[in-house]
Amino acid sequence: DAGVTQSPTHLIKTRGQHVTLRCSPISGHKSVSWYQQVLGQGPQFIFQYYEKEERGRGNFPDRFSARQFPNYSSELNVNALLLGDSALYLCASSLLPGVGSYEQYFGPGTRLTVT
Amino acid sequence: KQEVTQIPAALSVPEGENLVLNCSFTDSAIYNLQWFRQDPGKGLTSLLLIQSSQREQTSGRLNASLDKSSGRSTLYIAASQPGDSATYLCAVRPAGFQKLVFGTGTRLLVSP
Repeated sequence: DAGVTQSPTHLIKTRGQHVTLRCSPISGHKSVSWYQQVLGQGPQFIFQYYEKEERGRGNFPDRFSARQFPNYSSELNVNALLLGDSALYLCASSLLPGVGSYEQYFGPGTRLTVT
Repeated sequence: KQEVTQIPAALSVPEGENLVLNCSFTDSAIYNLQWFRQDPGKGLTSLLLIQSSQREQTSGRLNASLDKSSGRSTLYIAASQPGDSATYLCAVRPAGFQKLVFGTGTRLLVSP
């Protein structure tokens, strides 16, 4: 079975532009989360989606938005890009959110560079 | 606010050594703790998941322990190999939240 897939692998954008990152979860997984990892730091939580609804949001500005589609894939959108948005963006999928144990599986990430 | 700290930040050992990586968290109200491996510029690979009710988990040469009351976890790697060289990240899932809170990682280098 394929793991979590993300596209594109790398992306270079200019300040002020908009970017869309895509994620496909593991087959059968219904929950998708997005994380931002700045070089030298641990990943920071941005969003979680389950059944097309936002279930959690991290401390990120409104320039960041996301959505989940009926096939459980997801998009992360970032508007008005800043230099500080340069990072590795990671997508994680899990069977279900909610109480109790669940293991998150991460994709290879999208490396975004803002110049 | 949950905070996760990993010590040491970097570790260099010769091949064959047994080693311990440390993770501490400030709030004991967690659902679980997960250890990940990350190769340079790559995504995260899940190594071990410990539920809040468990004390340890083992997978091959890896053993992770959890002491929730003291806010500590350790990852033990037996007979280290050069292929173990990577950054190891610890993450907790705080109770009531739909997210993982990560430490900054321990960068491990195993020399032949």
